[in-house]
Amino acid sequence: QKEVEQNSGPLSVPEGAIASLNCTYSDRGSQSFFWYRQYSGKSPELIMFIYSNGDKEDGRFTAQLNKASQYVSLLIRDSQPSDSATYLCAVYNTGNQFYFGTGTSLTVIP
Amino acid sequence: GAVVSQHPSRVICKSGTSVKIECRSLDFQATTMFWYRQFPKQSLMLMATSNEGSKATYEQGVEKDKFLINHASLTLSTLTVTSAHPEDSSFYICSASGGRRNQPQHFGDGTRLSIL
Repeated sequence: QKEVEQNSGPLSVPEGAIASLNCTYSDRGSQSFFWYRQYSGKSPELIMFIYSNGDKEDGRFTAQLNKASQYVSLLIRDSQPSDSATYLCAVYNTGNQFYFGTGTSLTVIP
Repeated sequence: GAVVSQHPSRVICKSGTSVKIECRSLDFQATTMFWYRQFPKQSLMLMATSNEGSKATYEQGVEKDKFLINHASLTLSTLTVTSAHPEDSSFYICSASGGRRNQPQHFGDGTRLSIL
């Protein structure tokens, strides 16, 4: 079982819609969760982090964490074509190890 | 804050050349630095993790004599690809993390290496 799993997609949404990206993790004791965005040919950039159960909002982005179900999600409201990228979920587990998912490719259609 | 600078951004060189890539944390102390390789349309592949002052820990299948990693200070790590061959052509990305537990990784802009 992989430490972090994401649906590779591609996920396509129309401009203005809500994009929902999901991630599950295997280590129940994991404490820190991160979302990165990676444009084609570029390196990843950190967009959100969440440590506590519930929602965390930052502009058009909302991270949601449910530790009981071991999933973390990222919602992008009012999706724009510029949001088209690969989104990577990352988890810091109880062994002090940082794991990345393989990423979900998002395309926002104008 | 949390800026990581990686140089060079692009290298083109002949087969057999050794190439050094530098990764610097500009505004924080990077206790741990990570080196990744990424082929086109593929996922990030962790190559090695290095802690300041210690030998790097390499992932399975990564040749430590081929990819030399030095993390001599809290702000600088280097990756040297020794005697590079065309199959070493890839996008190499470093990242850095501060000393406290649960801190995120911050990425450099990456180095695109092309071996002719």
